[in-house]
Amino acid sequence: RKEVEQDPGPFNVPEGATVAFNCTYSNSASQSFFWYRQDCRKEPKLLMSVYSSGNEDGRFTAQLNRASQYISLLIRDSKLSDSATYLCVVSNFNKFYFGSGTKLNVKP
Amino acid sequence: DVKVTQSSRYLVKRTGEKVFLECVQDMDHENMFWYRQDPGLGLRLIYFSYDVKMKEKGDIPEGYSVSREKKERFSLILESASTNQTSMYLCASSFRQGATVNYGYTFGSGTRLTVV
Repeated sequence: RKEVEQDPGPFNVPEGATVAFNCTYSNSASQSFFWYRQDCRKEPKLLMSVYSSGNEDGRFTAQLNRASQYISLLIRDSKLSDSATYLCVVSNFNKFYFGSGTKLNVKP
Repeated sequence: DVKVTQSSRYLVKRTGEKVFLECVQDMDHENMFWYRQDPGLGLRLIYFSYDVKMKEKGDIPEGYSVSREKKERFSLILESASTNQTSMYLCASSFRQGATVNYGYTFGSGTRLTVV
């Protein structure tokens, strides 16, 4: 079983839509959780950390459910520039595990 | 602003060549990592290091070795390049993870290696 599982998508949504991604992780002892964004042929970049209480950064909201071992990312009012692949990342004792990414296409 | 620099953006090498991929970070990070990324397979960890002269195998270390002689530099070595090592190679670094603080990775811009 993979450490981190994500729906690969693609999610095709119109501008202005709200879209949500989920990811599940297998190790209940995992300590830290992140969402990364990766544009085509570029390196992944940290989008946001995910905290147990949930956290928000502008149009982006991240949630963590430790009991069910899943992480979510909600994007409100999607922009064309949000088109990218979103990677769910889970860390355990300094070692990071990446999901294979969910591709988002925001259409005009 | 944290910077992780990889020596080459694109590289073409012949089968059997010894290949060196260099990575340097300027933020005094303890942890450094080498990943490869392939379509449909995502990011796979090759080797990592939590300290100078320390190295640990990741999930796919076969055909690779690493060197960390200085804290800021982590080198990936392909002893004898093969065509199945054609890939995007990404270096990353981070502070040592704390008990209560989350530190994300910072990635270099990647080296796209083609072995012919």
